[in-house]
Amino acid sequence: EAQVTQNPRYLITVTGKKLTVTCSQNMNHEYMSWYRQDPGLGLRQIYYSMNVEVTDKGDVPEGYKVSRKEKRNFPLILESPSPNQTSLYFCASSLRASGRGNEQFFGPGTRLTVL
Amino acid sequence: GQQVMQIPQYQHVQEGEDFTTYCNSSTTLSNIQWYKQRPGGHPVFLIQLVKSGEVKKQKRLTFQFGEAKKNSSLHITATQTTDVGTYFCAVNYGGSQGNLIFGKGTKLSVKP
Repeated sequence: EAQVTQNPRYLITVTGKKLTVTCSQNMNHEYMSWYRQDPGLGLRQIYYSMNVEVTDKGDVPEGYKVSRKEKRNFPLILESPSPNQTSLYFCASSLRASGRGNEQFFGPGTRLTVL
Repeated sequence: GQQVMQIPQYQHVQEGEDFTTYCNSSTTLSNIQWYKQRPGGHPVFLIQLVKSGEVKKQKRLTFQFGEAKKNSSLHITATQTTDVGTYFCAVNYGGSQGNLIFGKGTKLSVKP
């Protein structure tokens, strides 16, 4: 089944404890992206990747890191989480970034709480 | 940064009534996408509009792209309880094709 998977789905952690949220897609998509969703603010893009080893900042990259060493995986790293990073995180992928095939497929989401 | 304005933020309708959400941009868009997110779920792609004045239909949903490619609308005819959710538009602004900006969404509730 074609899908985007994220792990973990739920995470409660403490300030400063490094964490990684994994994202994987099995559709051979070139483009992958991370978003955070907060009430009243909608979806905001954190980082995106146009292809392997190519990443770029979205609108809210501060406090986050990403890597794209393989086409299927795009982990989101929080080196020193803070309470303002408590949010619902979505990973998404699409065949390409623009033009035909750029509709995004979203993962199920990761609800992160930083105490 | 760039923003796309989406209105209204909330819409409560009686089942059978129509519903419309609008997205507006101050600059010309190359294309616009629409997504639906059910309560507790993830966004799901509905459609992409590319051409000026384009109109596309999916059953009771009608999507329009303005002539100047600065605005778009999603209209649902005769809403059903299954239409409940938040509807988002999403756009690229020129320079960086990968930088997708979402509107804040319109949350639709339908009273049976």
